[in-house]
Amino acid sequence: QQQVKQSPQSLIVQKGGISIINCAYENTAFDYFPWYQQFPGKGPALLIAIRPDVSEKKEGRFTISFNKSAKQFSLHIMDSQPGDSATYFCAASMGSGNTGKLIFGQGTTLQVKP
Amino acid sequence: GAVVSQHPSRVICKSGTSVKIECRSLDFQATTMFWYRQFPKQSLMLMATSNEGSKATYEQGVEKDKFLINHASLTLSTLTVTSAHPEDSSFYICSARPLTGTGYTFGSGTRLTVV
Repeated sequence: QQQVKQSPQSLIVQKGGISIINCAYENTAFDYFPWYQQFPGKGPALLIAIRPDVSEKKEGRFTISFNKSAKQFSLHIMDSQPGDSATYFCAASMGSGNTGKLIFGQGTTLQVKP
Repeated sequence: GAVVSQHPSRVICKSGTSVKIECRSLDFQATTMFWYRQFPKQSLMLMATSNEGSKATYEQGVEKDKFLINHASLTLSTLTVTSAHPEDSSFYICSARPLTGTGYTFGSGTRLTVV
């Protein structure tokens, strides 16, 4: 029940296309859902995060869509660029991001082809 | 924005020796810091949660005597890998949660190689 399942494992997108990564969770006590971007040899960096009281959040080319009833959330990267090539992790925690530990998805390796 | 500094970024040690990794929150106070381990092409696995001034809470399967965690101040946590063996070779990442505000900030990671 603590798991966060992420798909796909890998994704190849053409430059300018839309990259979509999906995550699903079971624990309804989760109330903070961040997405992280990680480049090889670096720590994860926060991209965008959402709480379950909203269905969508947009920051620049990155959008989170949240479906509370389905217990799913997804990351959309619009106008994907080669510089977006990285590994993306979804995560979830309890306590609105103030308490609790982050539970990570399995990760998605994105490759954006020029 | 919040910055977490992790040192060293890379370390090579001989089997049987101990290695200390530092995690510092540079511009905020962190009551809670987290230590993760990441194998190549895998996700982050939480090893332990450390709270300033108290004993760390270890995840199931993580040997507390092997991975010693100290969180002596609101800006510093250390992970010591004791009697390291080649199977301890991995990428170790710390994360800090601020005293006020939300979110988790990650360090840049430490690549440990035990030879």
